[in-house]
Amino acid sequence: NAGVTQTPKFQVLKTGQSMTLQCAQDMNHNSMYWYRQDPGMGLRLIYYSASEGTTDKGEVPNGYNVSRLNKREFSLRLESAAPSQTSVYFCASSALGVYNEQFFGPGTRLTVL
Amino acid sequence: AQSVTQLGSHVSVSEGALVLLRCNYSSSVPPYLFWYVQYPNQGLQLLLKYTSAATLVKGINGFEAEFKKSETSFHLTNPSAHMSDAAEYFCAVSENNDMRFGAGTRLTVKP
Repeated sequence: NAGVTQTPKFQVLKTGQSMTLQCAQDMNHNSMYWYRQDPGMGLRLIYYSASEGTTDKGEVPNGYNVSRLNKREFSLRLESAAPSQTSVYFCASSALGVYNEQFFGPGTRLTVL
Repeated sequence: AQSVTQLGSHVSVSEGALVLLRCNYSSSVPPYLFWYVQYPNQGLQLLLKYTSAATLVKGINGFEAEFKKSETSFHLTNPSAHMSDAAEYFCAVSENNDMRFGAGTRLTVKP
């Protein structure tokens, strides 16, 4: 099992450009998440999908959109990138259940110039 | 909403010394609590979790954490630090489907 995979690993954008970060999991998990990690701030939830066909905003959703394409895949889109979106982005997944243990991908390092 | 405070953004210990990383939480319901570790340029890996069973939870690599309701704490300890333990450690609290992470503590282990 590959677990949670993310593409790309690195990306540099210019202000105003758009891009989509891809995430896939092979653990048959129902829930998937997108976080951003910034120094001194831990991880902050951008969006999550509790189950296929549903998405909800997290703590910092502005400037982002998501698509739960199917049970395996959950993508994050930046329509018009801004320097404030320079960050490391992590995708995670968890089985449906009260413990909510999350499994993380390796991350995408995004720089917006 | 629930929240987590990690005291100390950096902790430095000598190899073989005790490691203590502090975590305090707030939650309106009995919490589920987690410690994750992040090695350089990697994603987070689960170290251990508290799910209302035993208050002393043992994890991987000799780490353990004790849930203390009266102190709203879930501190992480390791009796003997190894060089390979150098990483960033995150405490997290979960309510329903919402997990909140602390800001992280970077552990340095000196030879």
